Amino acid sequence: EAGVTQFPSHSVIEKGQTVTLRCDPISGHDNLYWYRRVMGKEIKFLLHFVKESKQDESGMPNNRFLAERTGGTYSTLKVQPAELEDSGVYFCASSQAVWGTQYFGPGTRLLVL
Amino acid sequence: KQEVTQIPAALSVPEGENLVLNCSFTDSAIYNLQWFRQDPGKGLTSLLLIQSSQREQTSGRLNASLDKSSGRSTLYIAASQPGDSATYLCAVSPNTGNQFYFGTGTSLTVIP
Repeated sequence: EAGVTQFPSHSVIEKGQTVTLRCDPISGHDNLYWYRRVMGKEIKFLLHFVKESKQDESGMPNNRFLAERTGGTYSTLKVQPAELEDSGVYFCASSQAVWGTQYFGPGTRLLVL
Repeated sequence: KQEVTQIPAALSVPEGENLVLNCSFTDSAIYNLQWFRQDPGKGLTSLLLIQSSQREQTSGRLNASLDKSSGRSTLYIAASQPGDSATYLCAVSPNTGNQFYFGTGTSLTVIP
């Protein structure tokens, strides 16, 4: 069974540009989560989808971040415009049950110059 | 707001030694606690998940315990091997939502 995949693995962009990260969850997992780890800090929750609906987006830092999950399959996280402090590793995870084990993808390493 | 602390931040042990990693959390109203392993440049691999009603979980050489009332969990690794070298992360899920609050991790090095 394929795990959670994320694309791209790395992205280097300039301040003010737009970047879109993609996550493909494990097939059949209705729950999809986005997390972020900035340098030297702990991993922090961004938001949670149940199918195509946003269940909890309390961790989204500001309105420059937009997450979508059209059709309830893959998800995208767009940062527009990117700022220096957005640099970090963005992780996606999925789970079958709402309270179940979360399986993480390898992450997208974003560097904003 | 839930805060998760992991001590020590880094640990270096000789191969074969048994070791304990610690995790503490400030709000005992949790639904479950999960231990992860992260290898350099890789994602997180789930090791063990303990529901709030459980006291411990075991998988191979790993044993995780949970004392919810005192806000503590430990991950015990028996007979450590160089392949166990990685960063170990503890994360708790609150009763009020299905997200995880993570600690900053313990970086483990097992010396051959």
